[in-house]
Amino acid sequence: QSALTQPASVSGSLGQSITISCTGTSSDIGNYNYVSWYQQHPGKAPKPMIYNVNNRPSGVSNRFSGSKSGNTASLTISGLQAEDEADYYCNSYRDGNTYVFGTGTKVTVL
Amino acid sequence: QEQLVQSGPEVKKPGASVKVSCKASGYTFTDAFLHWVRQTPGQGLEYMGCISPNNGGTNYAQKFQGSITMTRDTSISTAYLEVTRLTSDDTAIYYCTRDRDGGFSFDPWGQGTLVSVSS
Repeated sequence: QSALTQPASVSGSLGQSITISCTGTSSDIGNYNYVSWYQQHPGKAPKPMIYNVNNRPSGVSNRFSGSKSGNTASLTISGLQAEDEADYYCNSYRDGNTYVFGTGTKVTVL
Repeated sequence: QEQLVQSGPEVKKPGASVKVSCKASGYTFTDAFLHWVRQTPGQGLEYMGCISPNNGGTNYAQKFQGSITMTRDTSISTAYLEVTRLTSDDTAIYYCTRDRDGGFSFDPWGQGTLVSVSS
């Protein structure tokens, strides 16, 4: 049960845009539009940021957007702000009625 | 306000078992699947499995089959995760979370329960 692959770290300056990739297989991302993204600050529970590839829960800034192409999903944060510095995890539904998380990406705001 | 509140931190010895609770409020408990996710120190999130509060049906991730049991008590809107035969590798924060309306993502999340395994 291998995890989805994310870059370990991504950084950007205030106001810039960054994109985090999440690579899976045809058994998960490639076969289902059930990709979600979670933001986690140190010592806190994960917070949902995107669901079903490109939908934002109520209250989440429109600076966060999601997309998918083939076996890879992406989270883009535009207009990077200091409070965006956190860990980000992707998640996908997978064959066999289960779910799998990504390896996680640490976002640093320069 | 939909909310999941988990039980407090636990310290256990290797070989023991631990049972973590997750109390739901602000919605109908039986309306949505509950999932459990763990996070080992300094590591990422790991999906453990889920339970249907409606009928008690469970589906465990392959890695955890045989070492965990998920149950629920509908009378008090509470789900439970029991982890048996604990080792130091089970030291982690355990989160419960719920199917978002429409399913296939997780919202809200409990605050997490730290389980420490040490001799």
